[in-house]
Amino acid sequence: GDSVTQMEGPVTLSEEAFLTINCTYTATGYPSLFWYVQYPGEGLQLLLKATKADDKGSNKGFEATYRKETTSFHLEKGSVQVSDSAVYFCALGFGNEKLTFGTGTRLTIIP
Amino acid sequence: EAGVTQFPSHSVIEKGQTVTLRCDPISGHDNLYWYRRVMGKEIKFLLHFVKESKQDESGMPNNRFLAERTGGTYSTLKVQPAELEDSGVYFCASSPLATSTDTQYFGPGTRLTVL
Repeated sequence: GDSVTQMEGPVTLSEEAFLTINCTYTATGYPSLFWYVQYPGEGLQLLLKATKADDKGSNKGFEATYRKETTSFHLEKGSVQVSDSAVYFCALGFGNEKLTFGTGTRLTIIP
Repeated sequence: EAGVTQFPSHSVIEKGQTVTLRCDPISGHDNLYWYRRVMGKEIKFLLHFVKESKQDESGMPNNRFLAERTGGTYSTLKVQPAELEDSGVYFCASSPLATSTDTQYFGPGTRLTVL
């Protein structure tokens, strides 16, 4: 079945550091790919998405590119802020069907 | 526009008791999903409603879990009787019925603790 593997956490970085959270997937066909974020005390929010190969999703300074050849969707940000501290989830889905999530990566940014 | 809401935000019950979780989707969203995250692991799918019909309930763990969506609006998820392993955060999500739409909008979750 479909699966998502993402970088184990927790990840701790200093403010203004470069961030990469790795995500790879296994799926039959070509899913849409998502990054969701859960800030402390809040629910899941869609951070960005990409629906086909070579698409780049971007939001709030975060980017991820849909790489079919490596089945990856790594999340990157050039300069992280304390407010980026959260749990990040990579996920895949087909149309209106269920989402398949990774285990989540807890990110802590220290000033 | 109001987002997905869930009630209660937290619930603490004894093993063997019954708990009912409620989800109100975004108005007009015909797709409604339930997910669960247990002990810091991945978020796992439970089931999917399209309007009042169960489209996919392949993720329901066992028959102690009963989900309903009468009238195709809000949904309830009942756990009866609750077991220790049912503890976790239960998320609800919704999306419009349009075939090209694949973004699901999540609620804040209900944290269930079974003692």
